[in-house]
This record gives sequence, C-alpha cells and structure tokens, in this order.
Amino acid sequence: DIQMTQSPASLSASLGETVSIECLASEDIYSNLAWYQQRPGKSPQLLIYYATTLQDGVPSRFSGSESGTQYSLEINSLQPEDEGDYFCQQSYKFPLTFGSGTKLEIK
Amino acid sequence: EVQLQESGPGLVKPSQSLSLTCSVTGYSVTSNYWGWIRKFPGNKMEWMGYISYSGSTAYNPSLKSRISITRDTSKNQFFLQLNSGTTEDTATYSCARLDNSGYYFDYWGQGVMVTVSS
Repeated sequence: DIQMTQSPASLSASLGETVSIECLASEDIYSNLAWYQQRPGKSPQLLIYYATTLQDGVPSRFSGSESGTQYSLEINSLQPEDEGDYFCQQSYKFPLTFGSGTKLEIK
Repeated sequence: EVQLQESGPGLVKPSQSLSLTCSVTGYSVTSNYWGWIRKFPGNKMEWMGYISYSGSTAYNPSLKSRISITRDTSKNQFFLQLNSGTTEDTATYSCARLDNSGYYFDYWGQGVMVTVSS
C-alpha cells in the first residue's frame, strides 16, 4: 500500500496568516492527490484534486503544489472558517490511502 | 445538490455484523462510484471499498474476507456489511461519491459512529 505521511499533526495560526500542510507519498503517485477540509461537525469537503486543481466553489486562497513525491496545501489569508481538520488522499493506486490529518486552529 | 446520509446501529456486539445504509439524494447511484471510508479513534482513515455504477465492487484487501457492499437502485441506496466485528472496527463510518474522472471523493456523508463492544 502507498503510505501518505502528513505533517504537521496540528498547527495554530492567526487570522490573515499563511500556513502550509505537507503530504509525502511513499512512492510516485503522479500528481494523483486530493486535499480535503473537515470543519467541526461537518462532512469532509474536497478542496483540491490532481494535486493542484481547485474544486469548484473553493476559495482561491487555497492552493496545492508538488515536488516529487511531496505534496503541499497552502492556505493564504487565514479566515475563521478555515479552522478544522485537513487530510490528503492518494488516488493513484488501490487501496486508496489517506494522510493522518492536520488539525488547524485559528488563534 | 448531491447529499449522502449514513444510517445504522451505533452499537454492535463483537462477532456480529456491522450493517450500514447510505441514502443518496440529488444523484443516482447508477452513475459514478460510491464508497465507504472509516476513521478510527486517533484519526487514521481507511478506504473500505466501493460499488460502481454497474454494481461491480472493489474492496480493500485488508477487509476482503469480511466486507460486502451492495445497493438498491430503486431506493437509491447502497449498503455496507462488515462481518465478524471486533473492537478494532470501532470507528466513524462515512459514505462518499467518487468523482468520475479520478478516484477522489467529491461528496461525503456526515458519518456515523459505530462502537463494537459487548
């Protein structure tokens, strides 16, 4: 199975700041990576797919990038509604696998 | 708008089967792929399997001998059955739709917590 190592496990940032979350794949997944946000008490929402493509309706302050097997989610100009859990998922090979998640707190 | 809602018992005894229903509105289960994902205490997530628009299925090999995913197209629902439950199956179970062009999940249910305990 492809292992997805996600970091950090948690982070705290202030309104307006920029944060970055990383996922490292154990092998090449050829950009087949999705990022999700799960606000408290809500169902997960797809943010980005194919590593860099923004899902319809997702604010442009969210962006994805890649470098080899390392994938990053960047959130610019943090807003209060950005608080929640973020996780990655590789969609290249079955079984589909997920990162361990990052809890983002807005100070 | 596509909406998914899980339902089923919140408590299952060890060795019994865990059975959940995912009710879909706003889209037909005869299109796309439909999956089950679970999140364990401690936040590890596991893809369990999917059922396709044609009714074919694929399962995580870690569960292959215990899992079954079926559907009822007349009710626009799909189902999860996990046999021989153990305490390690305690998790929040979510159903979700897989996008047509890639194996990522574009709509999710809220999730239902299932505890396996005597």
